[in-house]
Amino acid sequence: DAGVTQSPTHLIKTRGQQVTLRCSPKSGHDTVSWYQQALGQGPQFIFQYYEEEERQRGNFPDRFSGHQFPNYSSELNVNALLLGDSALYLCASSLASGGAIDTQYFGPGTRLTVL
Amino acid sequence: AQSVAQPEDQVNVAEGNPLTVKCTYSVSGNPYLFWYVQYPNRGLQFLLKYITGDNLVKGSYGFEAEFNKSQTSFHLKKPSALVSDSALYFCAVRAPYILTGGGNKLTFGTGTQLKVEL
Repeated sequence: DAGVTQSPTHLIKTRGQQVTLRCSPKSGHDTVSWYQQALGQGPQFIFQYYEEEERQRGNFPDRFSGHQFPNYSSELNVNALLLGDSALYLCASSLASGGAIDTQYFGPGTRLTVL
Repeated sequence: AQSVAQPEDQVNVAEGNPLTVKCTYSVSGNPYLFWYVQYPNRGLQFLLKYITGDNLVKGSYGFEAEFNKSQTSFHLKKPSALVSDSALYFCAVRAPYILTGGGNKLTFGTGTQLKVEL
């Protein structure tokens, strides 16, 4: 049973550039959430996608955008990168029909470094 | 707004001794509470959750957590710690769906580093 996968593992960009991170959910899951984990901090919720639409969004600027594809995989796009965007980006998947007992399962993350 | 507090940045315990990692929360409505563990340069691994029912929840690798509604706490426990339990532990809370419109956003604490020594 394949778990959540993310690519790439590591990424180095410079300020002002744009980046795309990718996530494939756990087999059977239909909901994807993205989190940003800065060094020494807990993960912060960016947004969640279900049925190819953004269902919930955290306190992140519009530079952060996403997409969900018909096969439930997802992309996170960040435009106009800032030094403060350097972090571990975590993708989590869950099953919407799981209702109250749904659990989010996390991928290994993508480490983004902005120089 | 929902929030989680993990008052201890680090917890040290000797192998074989019981361990407790503390968590308190704030959320509207009945809370859904989770514990995750993170090993270096890895993602988060699910340990256990409380949705409803018994206040003592059992999870993976011998961990358990006790939900206390009056104290708004959800402390993680293990009767006998192992060196391999050394990792970063996160408590998280989710609000009921009726308040989120279906979203299941998790709000995490800042994490507690557990160090188990021989």
